[in-house]
Amino acid sequence: DADVTQTPRNRITKTGKRIMLECSQTKGHDRMYWYRQDPGLGLRLIYYSFDVKDINKGEISDGYSVSRQAQAKFSLSLESAIPNQTALYFCATSDPSLETGELFFGEGSRLTVL
Amino acid sequence: GESVGLHLPTLSVQEGDNSIINCAYSNSASDYFIWYKQESGKGPQFIIDIRSNMDKRQGQRVTVLLNKTVKHLSLQIAATQPGDSAVYFCAENLRYNYGQNFVFGPGTRLSVLP
Repeated sequence: DADVTQTPRNRITKTGKRIMLECSQTKGHDRMYWYRQDPGLGLRLIYYSFDVKDINKGEISDGYSVSRQAQAKFSLSLESAIPNQTALYFCATSDPSLETGELFFGEGSRLTVL
Repeated sequence: GESVGLHLPTLSVQEGDNSIINCAYSNSASDYFIWYKQESGKGPQFIIDIRSNMDKRQGQRVTVLLNKTVKHLSLQIAATQPGDSAVYFCAENLRYNYGQNFVFGPGTRLSVLP
């Protein structure tokens, strides 16, 4: 089983709909992130959370909100989806006690907004 | 809709040859760098990292070179195999272990020819 699990893996929705992408992890990491990936662009940070009571905006938070329900769960919401939010979304975790500063990514949620 | 004019650079190599993937990073103050591999339909996976106090680091079949003078990073893959086909991208960080500060490059697609 994957250490970082995202649901749904694929979603097609219409403009104006509310969408939630969910992320759960079994790595026991406190730090969790939501990134967006667009064709030809690097990953861009939407929101991050360093613990259950900590939520921070990233580079491109407008139009998104998040909820950290537990250490293991971090969900991303689009309150009113628009076509330019069509993208591949990744959840990630990290652990500052590790020798490397790597991010551990889920397998992605592909969202299409029509 | 999709972004216009943003295409990943592609590197095609023969199986068994060495591959060199390049990355120009943006901030001369960045002090930690990671190379990730992203296979089709999967999330990015850590390959190798390097800190700014080093100019070379080797892993299994991979070597990362850092040239701080020209803000350039390269990933060398020895004896490239079909399983190496993926998108590779670099990430820079201003401070080691602060996950929210990573800046990702757009990536290079590596195609391994039989």
